[in-house]
Amino acid sequence: AQKVTQAQTEISVVEKEDVTLDCVYETRDTTYYLFWYKQPPSGELVFLIRRNSFDEQNEISGRYSWNFQKSTSSFNFTITASQVVDSAVYFCALSEKSTNAGKSTFGDGTTLTVKP
Amino acid sequence: NAGVTQTPKFQVLKTGQSMTLQCAQDMNHEYMSWYRQDPGMGLRLIHYSVGAGITDQGEVPNGYNVSRSTTEDFPLRLLSAAPSQTSVYFCASSAGQSNQPQHFGDGTRLSIL
Repeated sequence: AQKVTQAQTEISVVEKEDVTLDCVYETRDTTYYLFWYKQPPSGELVFLIRRNSFDEQNEISGRYSWNFQKSTSSFNFTITASQVVDSAVYFCALSEKSTNAGKSTFGDGTTLTVKP
Repeated sequence: NAGVTQTPKFQVLKTGQSMTLQCAQDMNHEYMSWYRQDPGMGLRLIHYSVGAGITDQGEVPNGYNVSRSTTEDFPLRLLSAAPSQTSVYFCASSAGQSNQPQHFGDGTRLSIL
């Protein structure tokens, strides 16, 4: 069965600090997809990034970067020079190719608070 | 573009009442899902559909029914509301298969008294 664990329930940082959100997953599939979503205080869910299981290249997009490591089943998300607007709940999610159903298993989320 | 539209945004019910949460998408997506979000528990899958006429149960289906008569619409029915169903409900759609991100509606905040 697939499972996503976000061990950090809440993180609080001061503006301009760097912060890393951890995500560990479990799956029996050899082909799978990992996602990060952001839920700001307004409540909507916004897709941030997708990574395929066969692509371990890490990615940087502005202040955001993602570190995918199959050896440790981790897909961590780092925000550099955090800003107050980064305050949100961040969800990591997993989809398995074998299910082929457009649905995901979500972690419980990490609430990030960035203080000015 | 409207994307995924959920109605109503808020609803208060009494225990035992029934109601339907509406979900419509205008992106011609095959795949649609319903999740519930409870504090500290992330999103849990209730039901999902891989196309018109096809639905299946997710992780927490008890107390809910769905149907998918058209590609665009995927309503969620609460048969007899219970306080344990107090939650925020999200409908999502995706373009296809497992490698596509999901597009979410704005959610329905449901309270059962």
